[in-house]
Amino acid sequence: DTGVSQNPRHKITKRGQNVTFRCDPISEHNRLYWYRQTLGQGPEFLTYFQNEAQLEKSRLLSDRFSAERPKGSFSTLEIQRTEQGDSAMYLCASSSDRGRGEKLFFGSGTQLSVL
Amino acid sequence: EDKVVQSPLSLVVHEGDTVTLNCSYEVTNFRSLLWYKQEKKAPTFLFMLTSSGIEKKSGRLSSILDKKELFSILNITATQTGDSAIYLCAVHKGVTGNTPLVFGKGTRLSVIA
Repeated sequence: DTGVSQNPRHKITKRGQNVTFRCDPISEHNRLYWYRQTLGQGPEFLTYFQNEAQLEKSRLLSDRFSAERPKGSFSTLEIQRTEQGDSAMYLCASSSDRGRGEKLFFGSGTQLSVL
Repeated sequence: EDKVVQSPLSLVVHEGDTVTLNCSYEVTNFRSLLWYKQEKKAPTFLFMLTSSGIEKKSGRLSSILDKKELFSILNITATQTGDSAIYLCAVHKGVTGNTPLVFGKGTRLSVIA
């Protein structure tokens, strides 16, 4: 299966620790998105890459959050000095810029619990 | 500020019922509206709508967009327990496709036998 892959699937950490998540998009997709989803809410946009360039960042993305996509393939999302409010599902999605480009394909997410 | 509002937020129906889920939006430079189904983790794509009045259909699911009144509906006929999920509405804006989707909070549908 060549869908969007995220790992780890679950991460439990103590407040103040750093965590890093990885996303492998569909291979021919050049656009990659990170979203965050909490219970009872829809996914909230965090940041977006076209190839290796980070084109947009949400105001939700505080300076404790950093995302990279160094070679335009996989991406990492790091959260430094985690807080309990960071507990959420972190979803990655990818899309192609061929055609209209709006259809996003999502991974299964990384569930973060900050104790 | 861009807004996507879904209603109802949750719904419980019996197998065989027909349901209608609503999505209204206020965004600048509307481009398209998408519906996703989220069962456990990954939202999966259902429909993308770009033109008013043209119904998209897939099996028991159908959807239509009204760009004048700024809303869309998702219909599910003869519901089954496997339709239980969160249904997400999202809007794309901008001239090109390279802007992030703006999501609503979703409608949690529970279908009971």
